[in-house]
This record gives sequence, C-alpha cells and structure tokens, in this order.
Amino acid sequence: DAKTTQPPSMDCAEGRAANLPCNHSTISGNEYVYWYRQIHSQGPQYIIHGLKNNETNEMASLIITEDRKSSTLILPHATLRDTAVYYCIVRAQHGSSNTGKLIFGQGTTLQVKP
Amino acid sequence: EPEVTQTPSHQVTQMGQEVILRCVPISNHLYFYWYRQILGQKVEFLVSFYNNEISEKSEIFDDQFSVERPDGSNFTLKIRSTKLEDSAMYFCASRKEAGNQPQHFGDGTRLSIL
Repeated sequence: DAKTTQPPSMDCAEGRAANLPCNHSTISGNEYVYWYRQIHSQGPQYIIHGLKNNETNEMASLIITEDRKSSTLILPHATLRDTAVYYCIVRAQHGSSNTGKLIFGQGTTLQVKP
Repeated sequence: EPEVTQTPSHQVTQMGQEVILRCVPISNHLYFYWYRQILGQKVEFLVSFYNNEISEKSEIFDDQFSVERPDGSNFTLKIRSTKLEDSAMYFCASRKEAGNQPQHFGDGTRLSIL
C-alpha cells in the first residue's frame, strides 16, 4: 500500500472549514484513499473514502486531485468535538492479494479552537 | 446505527497471566481484525480473520496471541502469558465484505499489565 504524508498538526477556528491535506504520490490505480479520525481514548472512526471522484457524506467531503497524488479532507463547519487525530490511509481494494488491513501513520492532530 | 462493542473497557492483569479480550462485531460483517495502540504510539495491525481462520498476522502476533470466533457473534483475542510490554489499547474492527468497504472499530480495551 502506498505511503501517505500528512502535516503533524493544524489549528482551525470553530465554525470555519477545516481542510486537512494528504500526499500520496506513489498511489497506484487500484488504491483507495480512506480517512479515519481518533478522538482521545476512543477507537478510530471511519469518515469517508474514495478512489478518484470527489465524495461527500454527512461528516465531510473528500477532494482527490486529478492525478490522485494528493487529497484533502474538508470538515465544512468544524466544532470543538472535531478535535482529533485524522488519519489518511491508502489501501488497495480488499481481494485475493490482500486482507484489507489498515496501516496507520501518525496522522494530523487537528485542534479546533473557540 | 450498529457498532462494534468491546469488553471490558479496562483490564488489569498480573504479568504472566492469561487475558481474553472480547469483541462483538457488527452482525452481518464477515471480516474481523485486531489492532493495538501503545500509549503515545501509532495504531498497529495485529491480525485479520475470515471464514474461521487467520488470513494475515503481523510480527507482533506471536505464539502468545490467538484469536477465536467461538459462537458466531463474539470475536476474542487471547494473550497466554502477558508481558509488561503488552500494555496497550486493543481495538477490534469488522467489515462487511471484501472490496472497498471500510472497517468499523470498537472503542477498545485498555490492557494494563502489572
């Protein structure tokens, strides 16, 4: 699975959009981009994933560049409860050649401030 | 919304004792995982399990570890003879099917070895 690079920390003002970048320049054609977050002392929480098209759900939007070498997770109106470590993970589709395990990096610690 | 549940939330055990961590995955999920997170470190993959057998395990998952799905609803992780360095958060995750579907995590068991 391709390696990802994320900034170690970011701040965001409450009510503003939080834009979390991720570089995955070695991503291959069958690899998806997944975003999870971990609020202190809790298990990782799935946010969103995508292959090449932009995706949106009730939690966030995922913007993937056309060359797929980077992506941005957007939390449109950050709240204090969005303070967490955000992980960008690239993983091939689970199939006969892999078991679907996730490889976590250090992630980005997002601090939402009042 | 269905969720992965783990018990106990906190387990304290003497070094050398056996411990069993329990997980109830989401009911229609077929793929199961254990991860651990030592305090202040990354979330690390331990093992994946499908169709009543281990499909992949990491170097961490040595002979002291075992997993079982004893009754079609529970998924357990056993550590036979615990060591101080086994102290960590242990997370269970499950997934519905192969492909690109995400894993969903429980809130973990904090294992403290004395």
